[in-house]
Parts: sequence; structure tokens; C-alpha cells
Amino acid sequence: AIRMTQSPSSFSASTGDRVTITCRASQGISSYLAWYQQKPGKAPKLLIYAASTLQSGVPSRFSGSGSGTDFTLTISCLQSEDFATYYCQQYYSYPRTFGQGTKLEIK
Amino acid sequence: QVQLVQSGAEVKKPGASVKVSCKASGYTFTSYGISWVRQAPGQGLEWMGWISAYNGNTNYAQKLQGRVTMTTDTSTSTAYMELRSLRSDDTAVYYCAREISKLGIEDYWGQGTLVTVSS
Repeated sequence: AIRMTQSPSSFSASTGDRVTITCRASQGISSYLAWYQQKPGKAPKLLIYAASTLQSGVPSRFSGSGSGTDFTLTISCLQSEDFATYYCQQYYSYPRTFGQGTKLEIK
Repeated sequence: QVQLVQSGAEVKKPGASVKVSCKASGYTFTSYGISWVRQAPGQGLEWMGWISAYNGNTNYAQKLQGRVTMTTDTSTSTAYMELRSLRSDDTAVYYCAREISKLGIEDYWGQGTLVTVSS
């Protein structure tokens, strides 16, 4: 199975900050990478797929980049509603695998 | 609008089985797949498997092979996930999600079903 490693596991930031979360795959996955946002007690929400394609309805302050093994999720100007846990997921092959998550907290 | 509505919380004893349902609406059920993902308390997301609502093909996580069965009922647009021989570490919230087969991504998710395994 392809292992997905996110960094950092958690960090604190302030509203208005620009933040970047990284995700590394244990082998090349082309651009078959999705990012999800999850808030406590809620189901994950798809933000980005194909590494950089914004899902319909997702604010443009979210962006993704990368291909092969290294990927990033960037939030250009943090809003209060963005404090949540973020997961990357590869869908290059089965079994699908997720990163361990990055918890973004308010500083 | 697309909706996936899951069955309610369950409490089971070790060794028992649980069957979670996921009723889809707002789209053509057989044009998409359904994935199942679980999340243990305070932990990350774990992919369990996938089923094609078109032809019933499945793909299960190896660690669950032999204990999990995913099925669909196209007459009611409902997907099911049955997990047998439950253990305490199966305690989790179980999610179904619609998979866009051409893209391989899950775009809509159910609300989750808490399954608690306890003696």
C-alpha cells in the first residue's frame, strides 16, 4: 500500500495568515491526490482533487499543487471557518490511503 | 441535491456483526460507486473498500478481507456495509461516500454512523 505522510501533524496560525500543508507519497502517484477538510463531528469535505483542481463551491483561497510524490495544500488568507483537520488521500491505486491528518488550530 | 443518509448508531458485543446502510438520493445511483471509510475515536481516516453500484464489483482493504461485505440494492438506491466478528478496535464512525468512478474521488459523504463494540 502507498503510504501518505503529512507535515506538520498540527500547528497554530492566525486569521489572515497564509499556510501550507505538505503531503508526501511513498511512491509516485502522478496527480491522483485529493485534499479533504474535516471539522469535529462532521464528515470530510472534498476541497481539491487531481492535485490542483478546486472542487465546486470551495473558496479560491484554497489551492493545491504538486505531482509525483510531493504535494502541497495552501490556504492564502486563513478565515475562522478554516480551522479544521486536513487530510490528503491518494487514489492512484487500491487500497486508497490517507495521510494522518494536519490539525490547524487558532493561535 | 445529492444526499447520502446513513442508518443510526449501533452498539454491538465483541464477535457480533453490524450492517450499516447508506441511502442515496438526488442522482443516478448506478452511475457512481460507493466507498466506505471509518474513523476511530480521535484518529484519522481509514479506507475500508469500494463497491460499484453499476455492477457490484468490489475492492476491500486487505486488513478487512473476510470480515467485510459491501452490497447495493439498486431498487432502493441503498448501499450496505456489513462487518463481522467485531472487535473493540472496530469502534469507529463509519462513513459512506459517493465515488465519481471516472475520477476515483469521493465528492459527497454521508453523515456517519457510530458503531460501538463493547462487552
